[in-house]
Amino acid sequence: GAGVSQSPSNKVTEKGKDVELRCDPISGHTALYWYRQRLGQGLEFLIYFQGNSAPDKSGLPSDRFSAERTGESVSTLTIQRTQQEDSAVYLCASRQTGANQPQHFGDGTRLSIL
Amino acid sequence: AQSVTQPDIHITVSEGASLELRCNYSYGATPYLFWYVQSPGQGLQLLLKYFSGDTLVQGIKGFEAEFKRSQSSFNLRKPSVHWSDAAEYFCASSSGNTPLVFGKGTRLSVIA
Repeated sequence: GAGVSQSPSNKVTEKGKDVELRCDPISGHTALYWYRQRLGQGLEFLIYFQGNSAPDKSGLPSDRFSAERTGESVSTLTIQRTQQEDSAVYLCASRQTGANQPQHFGDGTRLSIL
Repeated sequence: AQSVTQPDIHITVSEGASLELRCNYSYGATPYLFWYVQSPGQGLQLLLKYFSGDTLVQGIKGFEAEFKRSQSSFNLRKPSVHWSDAAEYFCASSSGNTPLVFGKGTRLSVIA
């Protein structure tokens, strides 16, 4: 079956522009997570959606970052007024209901801010 | 708060040699533990996971890991490394539905 799909795979933009990143989770997966991976670093949690519950936004680094998810489908991560430090790979993961279910990751969007 | 430590930033092994990648976690209860592998330009692929039960866990690609509560460790092992195993390896923990907490990763190089 299809895995987690992210688009675009690469995005280059100028500082100050807004960007929107898309994640299509695996069908039937109720939980969806966004992570950021800076060069040479581990993954930092950004935001977590679980079904229709209010999202856990505790990892968002600033109010320039926001994310939406409609039901149990597509999610978009938006970064407004991009800064050079936003350059990173943004990874999305989804997971089935159940505490012992692992997260499955997409290939990520590589964002470069000029 | 949970934390995961991978002490080795970079490891080089010869093809055919054995491998052990270290991972230590910090968490009050027994966490859920995972090892993921990331090839260049790719996302993360799950190698194996531990939730409870048998402390020796078998994964894909010939990998295994052993949960040792007394040492707060979850080290990844492979008896014979192949050149295709060269990649970045991440250890991670969670407490069920919570987001994963990742170590900073260990880069594995394989030489002939």
